[in-house]
Amino acid sequence: GAGVSQSPSNKVTEKGKDVELRCDPISGHTALYWYRQSLGQGLEFLIYFQGNSAPDKSGLPSDRFSAERTGGSVSTLTIQRTQQEDSAVYLCASSTGLAGGAGELFFGEGSRLTVL
Amino acid sequence: SQQGEEDPQALSIQEGENATMNCSYKTSINNLQWYRQNSGRGLVHLILIRSNEREKHSGRLRVTLDTSKKSSSLLITASRAADTASYFCAARGGSYIPTFGRGTSLIVHP
Repeated sequence: GAGVSQSPSNKVTEKGKDVELRCDPISGHTALYWYRQSLGQGLEFLIYFQGNSAPDKSGLPSDRFSAERTGGSVSTLTIQRTQQEDSAVYLCASSTGLAGGAGELFFGEGSRLTVL
Repeated sequence: SQQGEEDPQALSIQEGENATMNCSYKTSINNLQWYRQNSGRGLVHLILIRSNEREKHSGRLRVTLDTSKKSSSLLITASRAADTASYFCAARGGSYIPTFGRGTSLIVHP
């Protein structure tokens, strides 16, 4: 597609429910990143994919968080048993993965998650 | 990972004035990138400056890089109300993980 696409754009859920957030990166981009941004805060790194593998999962805040990427394209971030502190905007970005990983990131519009 | 930390946290100016925001990082880099974010949505890439460059221009944007001080600055000249947004830097180096600070929140009053 023309840009990074994320869905849903907004999600309201009840505490304890599971949610899935989807990211469709720019075609041909091998690197994919998930970030989380709480209200008024900076971007918190969650996980990085190169192709289908995740060399760095260090940012996932707990074992309730998981992510996968299939076909070197679409990625899904899953949050199990959601808590109120999970409320945030979840941002996905993709990059060509070239230039030693130092290229420009292209961001989606984010998925705003509200846990009641 | 290379840390990007922006300063000041908030900046309020009048239309037509210049806005300067700064970024500091910790380790050696290949390049430093500046991004803009409107209303808590996706970030948009503004400009990239390589480690062997000292200054770069793009329209009303001017970026400087001082690798000896591990710092960069973004200058927006002749600001407009539409420049109101948050601005983030990301220092890119050997790590594949770009890290962002809390950003500088810029408000330009008409």
